[in-house]
Amino acid sequence: KQEVTQIPAALSVPEGENLVLNCSFTDSAIYNLQWFRQDPGKGLTSLLLIQSSQREQTSGRLNASLDKSSGRSTLYIAASQPGDSATYLCAVTGGSQGNLIFGKGTKLSVKP
Amino acid sequence: DAGVTQSPTHLIKTRGQQVTLRCSPKSGHDTVSWYQQALGQGPQFIFQYYEEEERQRGNFPDRFSGHQFPNYSSELNVNALLLGDSALYLCASRKTRGEAFFGQGTRLTVV
Repeated sequence: KQEVTQIPAALSVPEGENLVLNCSFTDSAIYNLQWFRQDPGKGLTSLLLIQSSQREQTSGRLNASLDKSSGRSTLYIAASQPGDSATYLCAVTGGSQGNLIFGKGTKLSVKP
Repeated sequence: DAGVTQSPTHLIKTRGQQVTLRCSPKSGHDTVSWYQQALGQGPQFIFQYYEEEERQRGNFPDRFSGHQFPNYSSELNVNALLLGDSALYLCASRKTRGEAFFGQGTRLTVV
Protein backbone atom coordinates (compact mmCIF):
# COMPACT_ATOMS: atom_id res chain seq x y z
CA LYS A 1 0.00 0.00 0.00
CA GLN A 2 1.42 3.36 -1.07
CA GLU A 3 2.13 5.80 1.75
CA VAL A 4 3.28 9.40 1.38
CA THR A 5 5.13 11.25 4.13
CA GLN A 6 6.00 14.93 4.27
CA ILE A 7 8.67 16.38 6.52
CA PRO A 8 8.63 18.75 8.29
CA ALA A 9 4.99 19.09 9.31
CA ALA A 10 5.51 22.81 9.87
CA LEU A 11 8.21 25.29 8.96
CA SER A 12 8.71 28.96 9.81
CA VAL A 13 11.31 31.03 7.97
CA PRO A 14 12.17 34.72 7.56
CA GLU A 15 11.35 36.40 4.28
CA GLY A 16 14.00 35.98 1.60
CA GLU A 17 15.24 32.55 2.65
CA ASN A 18 15.54 29.66 0.25
CA LEU A 19 13.85 26.52 1.57
CA VAL A 20 13.27 22.87 0.79
CA LEU A 21 10.18 20.78 1.50
CA ASN A 22 10.47 17.01 1.49
CA CYS A 23 8.15 14.26 0.31
CA SER A 24 8.78 10.52 0.45
CA PHE A 25 6.74 7.60 -0.85
CA THR A 26 6.98 3.88 -0.12
CA ASP A 27 6.26 2.37 -3.56
CA SER A 28 8.51 3.61 -6.38
CA ALA A 29 6.04 2.40 -9.07
CA ILE A 30 4.41 5.78 -9.51
CA TYR A 31 2.99 7.32 -12.69
CA ASN A 32 3.57 10.92 -11.68
CA LEU A 33 3.95 13.21 -8.67
CA GLN A 34 2.23 16.52 -8.13
CA TRP A 35 2.86 19.37 -5.70
CA PHE A 36 -0.06 21.48 -4.51
CA ARG A 37 -0.56 24.59 -2.44
CA GLN A 38 -3.55 24.98 -0.11
CA ASP A 39 -4.58 28.18 1.63
CA PRO A 40 -6.65 27.80 4.84
CA GLY A 41 -10.12 26.43 4.14
CA LYS A 42 -9.57 26.57 0.39
CA GLY A 43 -9.09 24.12 -2.43
CA LEU A 44 -5.79 22.90 -3.87
CA THR A 45 -3.76 24.83 -6.42
CA SER A 46 -1.51 22.73 -8.62
CA LEU A 47 2.09 23.96 -8.57
CA LEU A 48 4.11 21.37 -10.48
CA LEU A 49 3.56 17.98 -12.09
CA ILE A 50 6.51 15.63 -12.59
CA GLN A 51 6.02 12.58 -14.79
CA SER A 52 7.79 9.41 -13.63
CA SER A 53 10.28 9.70 -16.52
CA GLN A 54 11.30 13.22 -15.50
CA ARG A 55 13.83 14.31 -12.88
CA GLU A 56 12.64 17.85 -12.23
CA GLN A 57 10.24 20.62 -13.14
CA THR A 58 10.56 24.37 -12.66
CA SER A 59 8.01 27.17 -12.47
CA GLY A 60 9.20 30.62 -11.49
CA ARG A 61 10.75 30.46 -8.01
CA LEU A 62 9.69 26.82 -7.58
CA ASN A 63 11.72 23.76 -8.51
CA ALA A 64 10.61 20.20 -7.84
CA SER A 65 12.82 17.15 -8.18
CA LEU A 66 11.96 13.48 -8.31
CA ASP A 67 14.09 10.45 -7.46
CA LYS A 68 11.86 7.44 -8.04
CA SER A 69 14.44 4.86 -7.01
CA SER A 70 14.81 6.35 -3.54
CA GLY A 71 11.12 7.29 -3.28
CA ARG A 72 11.78 10.99 -2.72
CA SER A 73 10.78 14.36 -4.07
CA THR A 74 11.76 17.85 -2.96
CA LEU A 75 10.14 21.22 -3.56
CA TYR A 76 12.64 24.09 -3.54
CA ILE A 77 11.29 27.60 -3.03
CA ALA A 78 13.71 30.41 -3.77
CA ALA A 79 13.64 33.83 -2.12
CA SER A 80 10.55 33.08 -0.02
CA GLN A 81 7.87 35.76 0.44
CA PRO A 82 5.06 36.18 3.00
CA GLY A 83 2.60 35.35 0.22
CA ASP A 84 4.13 31.87 0.04
CA SER A 85 2.65 31.08 3.46
CA ALA A 86 0.32 28.11 2.98
CA THR A 87 0.22 24.33 3.33
CA TYR A 88 2.11 22.45 0.66
CA LEU A 89 0.93 18.96 -0.26
CA CYS A 90 2.56 16.34 -2.44
CA ALA A 91 0.63 13.50 -4.05
CA VAL A 92 1.56 10.49 -6.16
CA THR A 93 -0.46 8.63 -8.77
CA GLY A 94 -0.08 4.90 -9.24
CA GLY A 95 -1.28 4.73 -12.86
CA SER A 96 -2.59 6.81 -15.75
CA GLN A 97 -6.12 6.59 -14.36
CA GLY A 98 -5.05 6.23 -10.77
CA ASN A 99 -6.17 8.31 -7.86
CA LEU A 100 -3.93 10.73 -6.01
CA ILE A 101 -2.41 9.60 -2.71
CA PHE A 102 -1.52 12.56 -0.53
CA GLY A 103 0.82 13.30 2.31
CA LYS A 104 -0.42 15.33 5.26
CA GLY A 105 1.35 18.44 4.05
CA THR A 106 3.91 20.94 5.31
CA LYS A 107 2.54 24.16 6.77
CA LEU A 108 4.86 26.97 5.74
CA SER A 109 4.96 30.36 7.41
CA VAL A 110 7.16 33.10 5.93
CA LYS A 111 7.68 35.99 8.34
CA PRO A 112 8.19 39.55 7.02
CA ASP B 1 -11.88 28.98 -18.54
CA ALA B 2 -13.68 28.85 -15.21
CA GLY B 3 -11.64 25.94 -13.90
CA VAL B 4 -13.24 23.37 -11.60
CA THR B 5 -16.32 24.74 -9.87
CA GLN B 6 -18.08 23.24 -6.86
CA SER B 7 -21.37 24.05 -5.21
CA PRO B 8 -22.38 24.88 -2.60
CA THR B 9 -19.34 26.37 -0.82
CA HIS B 10 -20.70 25.72 2.65
CA LEU B 11 -23.41 23.43 3.97
CA ILE B 12 -24.79 22.55 7.41
CA LYS B 13 -26.78 19.34 7.81
CA THR B 14 -28.22 17.35 10.68
CA ARG B 15 -27.19 13.79 11.53
CA GLY B 16 -29.15 11.25 9.51
CA GLN B 17 -29.89 13.61 6.64
CA GLN B 18 -28.73 13.24 3.06
CA VAL B 19 -26.60 15.70 1.09
CA THR B 20 -25.68 16.24 -2.58
CA LEU B 21 -22.57 18.10 -3.66
CA ARG B 22 -21.95 19.20 -7.23
CA CYS B 23 -18.88 19.63 -9.43
CA SER B 24 -18.30 21.01 -12.91
CA PRO B 25 -14.93 19.98 -14.35
CA LYS B 26 -12.45 22.16 -16.15
CA SER B 27 -13.19 22.52 -19.85
CA GLY B 28 -11.83 19.59 -21.83
CA HIS B 29 -11.51 17.28 -18.82
CA ASP B 30 -13.34 13.96 -18.82
CA THR B 31 -12.33 12.39 -15.49
CA VAL B 32 -13.73 13.58 -12.16
CA SER B 33 -12.59 12.44 -8.72
CA TRP B 34 -13.87 13.25 -5.25
CA TYR B 35 -11.79 13.60 -2.09
CA GLN B 36 -12.59 14.11 1.60
CA GLN B 37 -10.23 16.24 3.66
CA ALA B 38 -10.49 16.29 7.44
CA LEU B 39 -8.90 19.13 9.36
CA GLY B 40 -5.11 18.86 9.42
CA GLN B 41 -5.05 15.84 7.10
CA GLY B 42 -4.30 15.27 3.44
CA PRO B 43 -7.24 14.61 1.11
CA GLN B 44 -8.52 11.01 1.01
CA PHE B 45 -9.77 9.52 -2.25
CA ILE B 46 -13.48 8.68 -2.35
CA PHE B 47 -14.10 7.64 -5.98
CA GLN B 48 -13.41 8.48 -9.59
CA TYR B 49 -15.79 8.78 -12.55
CA TYR B 50 -14.97 8.39 -16.23
CA GLU B 51 -17.45 7.92 -19.08
CA GLU B 52 -20.33 8.13 -16.57
CA GLU B 53 -19.11 5.10 -14.63
CA GLU B 54 -17.39 4.71 -11.27
CA ARG B 55 -13.92 3.46 -12.17
CA GLN B 56 -12.12 3.42 -8.83
CA ARG B 57 -13.23 3.66 -5.23
CA GLY B 58 -11.39 4.37 -2.01
CA ASN B 59 -12.13 2.99 1.42
CA PHE B 60 -15.49 4.68 1.95
CA PRO B 61 -18.82 3.05 2.86
CA ASP B 62 -21.74 2.66 0.47
CA ARG B 63 -23.36 5.70 2.06
CA PHE B 64 -21.11 7.62 -0.32
CA SER B 65 -22.33 7.43 -3.91
CA GLY B 66 -21.89 9.46 -7.03
CA HIS B 67 -22.88 10.14 -10.56
CA GLN B 68 -21.34 11.60 -13.69
CA PHE B 69 -23.47 13.21 -16.35
CA PRO B 70 -22.94 13.28 -20.14
CA ASN B 71 -21.48 16.80 -19.87
CA TYR B 72 -18.84 15.35 -17.44
CA SER B 73 -20.22 17.16 -14.40
CA SER B 74 -20.56 15.07 -11.28
CA GLU B 75 -22.44 14.72 -8.02
CA LEU B 76 -21.43 13.27 -4.68
CA ASN B 77 -24.24 11.98 -2.49
CA VAL B 78 -23.86 11.06 1.16
CA ASN B 79 -26.74 9.33 2.96
CA ALA B 80 -27.38 8.92 6.69
CA LEU B 81 -24.90 11.64 7.63
CA LEU B 82 -22.67 11.11 10.66
CA LEU B 83 -20.83 13.72 12.68
CA GLY B 84 -17.59 12.24 11.31
CA ASP B 85 -18.62 13.16 7.77
CA SER B 86 -17.89 16.79 8.57
CA ALA B 87 -15.02 17.75 6.28
CA LEU B 88 -13.94 19.69 3.21
CA TYR B 89 -15.05 17.82 0.09
CA LEU B 90 -12.88 18.41 -2.94
CA CYS B 91 -13.54 17.66 -6.57
CA ALA B 92 -10.70 17.21 -9.04
CA SER B 93 -10.79 16.90 -12.80
CA ARG B 94 -8.24 15.99 -15.46
CA LYS B 95 -7.75 14.61 -18.91
CA THR B 96 -6.47 11.06 -19.19
CA ARG B 97 -2.87 10.97 -17.86
CA GLY B 98 -3.02 14.68 -17.22
CA GLU B 99 -2.51 17.09 -14.38
CA ALA B 100 -5.26 17.17 -11.76
CA PHE B 101 -7.01 20.45 -11.03
CA PHE B 102 -9.09 20.99 -7.93
CA GLY B 103 -12.12 23.08 -7.11
CA GLN B 104 -12.43 25.31 -4.05
CA GLY B 105 -14.25 22.63 -2.13
CA THR B 106 -17.49 22.33 -0.19
CA ARG B 107 -17.26 22.65 3.57
CA LEU B 108 -19.81 20.24 5.07
CA THR B 109 -20.70 20.53 8.74
CA VAL B 110 -22.88 17.83 10.31
CA VAL B 111 -24.52 18.78 13.62
